[in-house]
Amino acid sequence: EAGVTQFPSHSVIEKGQTVTLRCDPISGHDNLYWYRRVMGKEIKFLLHFVKESKQDESGMPNNRFLAERTGGTYSTLKVQPAELEDSGVYFCASSHRTTAFEQYFGPGTRLTVT
Amino acid sequence: SQQGEEDPQALSIQEGENATMNCSYKTSINNLQWYRQNSGRGLVHLILIRSNEREKHSGRLRVTLDTSKKSSSLLITASRAADTASYFCATDEVRGFQKLVFGTGTRLLVSP
Repeated sequence: EAGVTQFPSHSVIEKGQTVTLRCDPISGHDNLYWYRRVMGKEIKFLLHFVKESKQDESGMPNNRFLAERTGGTYSTLKVQPAELEDSGVYFCASSHRTTAFEQYFGPGTRLTVT
Repeated sequence: SQQGEEDPQALSIQEGENATMNCSYKTSINNLQWYRQNSGRGLVHLILIRSNEREKHSGRLRVTLDTSKKSSSLLITASRAADTASYFCATDEVRGFQKLVFGTGTRLLVSP
């Protein structure tokens, strides 16, 4: 069974540019989560999809971040325009609907904003 | 509110020694999990302990949970150089709608 995959693995962009991160969850997992780790701090929750619906987006830092999960399969996280403080590692995780707390994480996307 | 604070922040030991990491949290939880992150890689799930459990074992890993003190410990026995990584505890709160709350992690260095 394939795990959670994320693309790209690393992105370097300039301040003000746009970046789109992609996450492909484990097949059959209704739950999809985005987290990020900034500046070596703790890993923080961003948002949670159940299928294509946003269940909880309380962790989204501001309206420069837009997450979508059209069709309830893969998800994208767009940052527009990117700021320096957005640099960090963005993790995606997925879980089965009956065991939502058992979340399987992808390798992360390291975003560097210069 | 921040929770899942790990202690120590960094730990350096020799191969064959045991490593103990601690985690504290602040709210009522359903489960507590430990994850490992090797340098530049993703988070790997190690072990989950439910709020009604006190101890759990998996291979060389031993996890304890004390809900009265809101704390957990992860013990890695007979450590190996390959155990070098950052270790995070993560909790899912009773009212947290399934999101995980992580701490800042413990960086473990195991020297050959």
